[in-house]
Amino acid sequence: SQWGEENLQALSIQEGEDVTMNCSYKTYTTVVHWYRQDSGRGPALIILIRSNEREKRSGRLRATLDTSSQSSSLSITAAQCEDTAVYFCDTGYQNFYFGKGTSLTVIP
Amino acid sequence: DPKIIQKPKYLVAVTGSEKILICEQYLGHNAMYWYRQSAKKPLEFMFSYSYQKLMDNQTASSRFQPQSSKKNHLDLQITALKPDDSATYFCASSQEGQGEAEQFFGPGTRLTVL
Repeated sequence: SQWGEENLQALSIQEGEDVTMNCSYKTYTTVVHWYRQDSGRGPALIILIRSNEREKRSGRLRATLDTSSQSSSLSITAAQCEDTAVYFCDTGYQNFYFGKGTSLTVIP
Repeated sequence: DPKIIQKPKYLVAVTGSEKILICEQYLGHNAMYWYRQSAKKPLEFMFSYSYQKLMDNQTASSRFQPQSSKKNHLDLQITALKPDDSATYFCASSQEGQGEAEQFFGPGTRLTVL
């Protein structure tokens, strides 16, 4: 991927555990988007973080952005079964190249 | 009401035939995109349009032709279909010119080529 790449491809965790997914990108950006894709559906934005923010929270989600290392992370606290999905990051610039995504499975 | 409509939801075609995938967005966006996703594969960028003009084409084959008859429409014509074309095709849109450029995706058209 030219833009966003996830470092992990598959994660399986127990319900209630915390999980972190990482993403690295190769070019300058002012924003990183995190999307989730449920089975059989298109991706949907869940959180975005701007370059002037080191951390962004939304409910149980927490995104971080380190522009110096060109990396971002998405953490989910106390994962639930409904968090099972594929998670992508994207830098939101003109051409959108999503990485392979991280397939998260939360086991009850 | 759905903001991005893709039709049909499922499509079965025979090898060598031609099909058109429909996409309409009602978000007032000026940029539209097509992606494809094969089973258990990453989302693959195909085309981007801005103000009804082609901005980027990452599809190697000329068998894939986007068509924009209206500013909120971006259809995808696929000719000489092959079994390898079987995938789910997603349409998306965004408001270009805004720094965040969040994309909104349609529900997809699942194409099966026999």
